[in-house]
Amino acid sequence: QSVLTQPPSVSAAPGQKVTISCSGVSSNIGSNYASWYQQLPGTAPKLVIYEDNKRPSGIPDRFSGSRSGTSATLDITGLQTGDEADYYCGAWDSSLSAGVFGGGTKLTVL
Amino acid sequence: QLQLQESGPGLVKPSETLSLTCTVSGDSISDSNYYWGWIRQPPGKGLEWIATIFYGGNSYYNPSLKSRITSSVDTTKNHFSLRLGSITAADTAVYYCTRHLSGSIMTPAYWGQGTLVTVSS
Repeated sequence: QSVLTQPPSVSAAPGQKVTISCSGVSSNIGSNYASWYQQLPGTAPKLVIYEDNKRPSGIPDRFSGSRSGTSATLDITGLQTGDEADYYCGAWDSSLSAGVFGGGTKLTVL
Repeated sequence: QLQLQESGPGLVKPSETLSLTCTVSGDSISDSNYYWGWIRQPPGKGLEWIATIFYGGNSYYNPSLKSRITSSVDTTKNHFSLRLGSITAADTAVYYCTRHLSGSIMTPAYWGQGTLVTVSS
């Protein structure tokens, strides 16, 4: 059971937009930055969003993030087949003094 | 360019201790701007945070694993290590070492390729 809650799967057609949610509590998402990771099959995860809404160099602006209250959201617009991957949210939990992840969301581009 | 490379035994017997090392190139492990870490992923499952390590400062461990974990940093070899004791089948996973964003305890920005550890007799 993951500390952060994500939907197991989402899907959308190429060119469309998809939103992935990440729900936590006051001690993690509610008071600390959220980050998002993309994991393509058979590869290590890659950071796509940090500090709620910032993109590392090389990540297209089709990827965006936000945080409100105890939830964070990853939006991907202009979906491409290459975006098919598992996506994980992560944050620091101040009560646990530990890092926490969501269970992951599998994105299917139909 | 920063590179992280995990090394480990591949196969570990139950009850033994797992030793993993992450060799860093392209940056100094003693760089005070960065935290380093370990994350694992059981086959077909999600990510699990194990530890965040800071050279010369506090380290943080997953509460559920803390009693079994020790970590160390070797600046002469520019690597950091994790030891996990009393191994069981539940510890079978791909283990990743990471470097976090500058000043961040929990934003792994760089990842090694991962090393699969299988626990079996």
